[in-house]
Amino acid sequence: GESVGLHLPTLSVQEGDNSIINCAYSNSASDYFIWYKQESGKGPQFIIDIRSNMDKRQGQRVTVLLNKTVKHLSLQIAATQPGDSAVYFCAEDRNQFYFGTGTSLTVIP
Amino acid sequence: GAVVSQHPSRVICKSGTSVKIECRSLDFQATTMFWYRQFPKQSLMLMATSNEGSKATYEQGVEKDKFLINHASLTLSTLTVTSAHPEDSSFYICSAMRQRETQYFGPGTRLLVL
Repeated sequence: GESVGLHLPTLSVQEGDNSIINCAYSNSASDYFIWYKQESGKGPQFIIDIRSNMDKRQGQRVTVLLNKTVKHLSLQIAATQPGDSAVYFCAEDRNQFYFGTGTSLTVIP
Repeated sequence: GAVVSQHPSRVICKSGTSVKIECRSLDFQATTMFWYRQFPKQSLMLMATSNEGSKATYEQGVEKDKFLINHASLTLSTLTVTSAHPEDSSFYICSAMRQRETQYFGPGTRLLVL
């Protein structure tokens, strides 16, 4: 069936390094994608979004890349900080949101 | 902007009782609200989609009579877990969307049924 999934369930990075979290999607008709951050015991927090007519979008310390050819989405976090430790979900909007499994990011001080 | 609140944040109840969870969009009118359920170390599972003034649309496998959803206004949706049992213990999260923008999530409600 159709799915949004993540390549890696866990990721550990050293503080100050850049982090890259990947996501694959299977529905080529999807036109809107969102990255969320979820800290333990809290609701998901919007980080950044991108529409299918773009291949890159930058925010503060975060960049989302969209490769429609291979149906791949990535989230790059620059100069990762301990406060970035959380689970990151990508979501695909097809009239409703389909969430990936999530990648747990751990930042090592 | 785009703040969504949930109440209560935590609730413990006895098996067989009903629990109501409120979801409010504080600074915008939400055309659609969603209810999710999340088990530990798992992703969010959509339970139902709720539009103001109309009946909620439930996902396959979600019991309508057990999880009652009311969306009485553009800023409030409620989820009532009726006759709760220990297997209903979970983290319930709502989200709100205005028109065709992204969803904004509430902080979640931790339900523990004893």
